[in-house]
Amino acid sequence: VQLSESGGTLVQPGESLRVSCMASGFIFKDFALNWVRQAPGKGPEWLSSISGNGGNTYYADSVKGRFTISRDNSKNILYLQMSGLTAADTAIYYCAKGTRQTSPVLTNDPWGQGTLVTVSS
Amino acid sequence: QTVVTQEPSLSVSPGATVTLTCALSSASVSSNNFPTWFRQQTPGQAPLTIMYNTGTPSSGVPDRFSGSIIGNKAALTITGAQVEDESDYYCLLYLGRGISVFGGGTKLTV
Repeated sequence: VQLSESGGTLVQPGESLRVSCMASGFIFKDFALNWVRQAPGKGPEWLSSISGNGGNTYYADSVKGRFTISRDNSKNILYLQMSGLTAADTAIYYCAKGTRQTSPVLTNDPWGQGTLVTVSS
Repeated sequence: QTVVTQEPSLSVSPGATVTLTCALSSASVSSNNFPTWFRQQTPGQAPLTIMYNTGTPSSGVPDRFSGSIIGNKAALTITGAQVEDESDYYCLLYLGRGISVFGGGTKLTV
């Protein structure tokens, strides 16, 4: 299993950004996926999950209504579209694999290296 | 809003046993929460899973680490702690309906 996040950059408050996670080493459509972030000096925070077919999505209250998780099973890519970004969203964003198509329970597979999103004026 | 609580810090002498716990604000922790434990030694590096599905260790994890449910909490026990076990430890609980929540972490000093 390999997960590789990308798309992080410096953005201004209020802007939008999409980060991506490219996956390999497993049958992508057969597994739910998650986004997790870790702000500087803080613990990890679970953000969102999506089922294998993309039909079910779930969000933490902290990002509900601002972030949208999606996936392209033809390209083996997971996305997180973020809008209304604030300084509190500054973090390293990671994707993590779920246990099966309908279960986003994290497996013990390693996460990717993460992608850094910095929100600052 | 459900909160997952861990001891902010614990200290243990080398060779002693220490138990880190992970509690839910709204209910008892059970195996249905699929407790998972992560270790992060270096800020900026992704946390590594050391224990999942309550008590299954990841490959390469020393057998002094064990996971269980003790009372109404998930627990990570280190029997015979080593200096190299000094780290930040985080638990993760699955609440159902697609939602998971991390604990605030325990800073373990050996």
